[in-house]
Amino acid sequence: AQTVTQSQPEMSVQEAETVTLSCTYDTSENNYYLFWYKQPPSRQMILVIRQEAYKQQNATENRFSVNFQKAAKSFSLKISDSQLGDTAMYFCACPTSGNLIFGKGTKLSVKP
Amino acid sequence: NAGVTQTPKFQVLKTGQSMTLQCAQDMNHEYMSWYRQDPGMGLRLIHYSVGAGITDQGEVPNGYNVSRSTTEDFPLRLLSAAPSQTSVYFCASKNGQGRSSYNSPLHFGNGTRLTVT
Repeated sequence: AQTVTQSQPEMSVQEAETVTLSCTYDTSENNYYLFWYKQPPSRQMILVIRQEAYKQQNATENRFSVNFQKAAKSFSLKISDSQLGDTAMYFCACPTSGNLIFGKGTKLSVKP
Repeated sequence: NAGVTQTPKFQVLKTGQSMTLQCAQDMNHEYMSWYRQDPGMGLRLIHYSVGAGITDQGEVPNGYNVSRSTTEDFPLRLLSAAPSQTSVYFCASKNGQGRSSYNSPLHFGNGTRLTVT
């Protein structure tokens, strides 16, 4: 069965510092994309970043970047220069048969 | 474009009542899905559809029905609500279907908070 594991239920970081959220996954797919979503207190689900498994280069979107280790099936999210608005639940997601499976999430608190 | 629209935003039901959560998208997406979100459980797939007239079960389908008569709409029906169905429900859509949609991100509605007493 496909699984997505986020081992850190909660994390906190000081404003302007860097934090890394971990995610491991298991998939039998050959070509796939991985996703990180953010859910702020408003409950809205927002795409943060996506990574194509066939690309060796790690994806970057402004202050957000990933560390993708395909052999280890690891897909961590690094947030640089953390801002108060980054406070949210973060979910990583992995595809299976056209659907997305989500991890249980990491609650990130950014402290002033 | 409005994107994915879910109604209602909040709902309280008594055990045994039935109701339909509405979902509509205006992006001409072939794929639509329903997830439920519970504390500590992440998002779990209830049902999904890869096109009009086609639906399939996800991880937690029991107690829910869906239909897809048009590309735009994908309602979720609770036949006889139970307290275990208290949750936040999300509808989501994406372009393409199957492996051709793997690079497409899901677009989410704003969710429905359902409480069953």
